[in-house]
Amino acid sequence: KNEVEQSPQNLTAQEGEFITINCSYSVGISALHWLQQHPGGGIVSLFMLSSGKKKHGRLIATINIQEKHSSLHITASHPRDSAVYICAATGGGNKLTFGTGTQLKVEL
Amino acid sequence: NAGVMQNPRHLVRRRGQEARLRCSPMKGHSHVYWYRQLPEEGLKFMVYLQKENIIDESGMPKERFSAEFPKEGPSILRIQQVVRGDSAAYFCASSPRGRGPFQETQYFGPGTRLLVL
Repeated sequence: KNEVEQSPQNLTAQEGEFITINCSYSVGISALHWLQQHPGGGIVSLFMLSSGKKKHGRLIATINIQEKHSSLHITASHPRDSAVYICAATGGGNKLTFGTGTQLKVEL
Repeated sequence: NAGVMQNPRHLVRRRGQEARLRCSPMKGHSHVYWYRQLPEEGLKFMVYLQKENIIDESGMPKERFSAEFPKEGPSILRIQQVVRGDSAAYFCASSPRGRGPFQETQYFGPGTRLLVL
């Protein structure tokens, strides 16, 4: 069982919809990362957080340490948001453990 | 300020050959991380280096794989005697000296896609 679980694995949304991607982890962590992998393969770091909430443009990331859960929200989704979204946790051993990713497709 | 550079972007090798993957971190960054993404799988940590030091190589296969980050020049991930199972995308990331490894935003390179024939 992966220490970092994401859901859903695949998500199709219509343009403009509010999107939520969830991440649960089973180990104590010191930081939680959200990454975006574009169809061409490049990876961009979206957020790193250890508590509370962060916002950047239409993206919002939250984390609940007690519940070992983080969410990534996309407001007013657009086809250019189509990508794989990856959650990763800095936990025991002080290295990143990655979720398997959520494939998001936003349609017109 | 250039981002993390990796080269080559694509590399084709025959079984038994050597593969050398290069990573130049962002200017001012002293931490380098290598990750591997096998086809249809998620990213996996391989190794974490600082200049002239391997800090954590717990994700590296025990044989054929090595990594270095010399005082001058890029970080190198070296795979000797490649096999078909080594075919994957290899990503490098860097972070500045700061609060500690994996607790800072990491900046990823574009990756090297290795294909072993």
